[in-house]
Amino acid sequence: EADIYQTPRYLVIGTGKKITLECSQTMGHDKMYWYQQDPGMELHLIHYSYGVNSTEKGDLSSESTVSRIRTEHFPLTLESARPSHTSQYLCASSDRPMAGYTFGSGTRLTVV
Amino acid sequence: QKEVEQDPGPLSVPEGAIVSLNCTYSNSAFQYFMWYRQYSRKGPELLMYTYSSGNKEDGRFTAQVDKSSKYISLFIRDSQPSDSATYLCAMSVNFGNEKLTFGTGTRLTIIP
Repeated sequence: EADIYQTPRYLVIGTGKKITLECSQTMGHDKMYWYQQDPGMELHLIHYSYGVNSTEKGDLSSESTVSRIRTEHFPLTLESARPSHTSQYLCASSDRPMAGYTFGSGTRLTVV
Repeated sequence: QKEVEQDPGPLSVPEGAIVSLNCTYSNSAFQYFMWYRQYSRKGPELLMYTYSSGNKEDGRFTAQVDKSSKYISLFIRDSQPSDSATYLCAMSVNFGNEKLTFGTGTRLTIIP
């Protein structure tokens, strides 16, 4: 069972609302990531963090922001949701490169 | 052009068949290659991790890397219905750089 948790699993929200997607891991991993996944498309890295108070934007431009105040917590925030933000958001963490990533089950966001 | 190309399928094969899944890539700097399996409504999980060219076997799974052709493969022997999932290839440049580049994933169904 994965030790990385994402909430909510599903979210339908109106345009213009502020939302925060939660991601927590209990493995003590320093490195955490947010990916966006659309059907038939590759995963795109939108944010990553290599430790507390360290955050970087990924390869895919995103209007979201992240914070890393505690090792175990890496929330993603959208200040004003739009229909173009409709997607699945996957959180992941890692420590040793050869161990790969541990992914959460994802949050499927629909903005109407 | 995408850095990593993967046929999205869908691919359906009878139980017991040998399955071959493939990715091609354009960035010759990639050195670390991974295969992830993603079940419906779950996050991806690491299956295989290989470095540079060559083969790696783990039970019914064999990962193959041909850097000269920029081509990687995953073979599944004696396929089972439980192997039905989406398989994503992923790769990175540096051992310490864990920003992975993913393929789109191939959706595989094993027919009992």
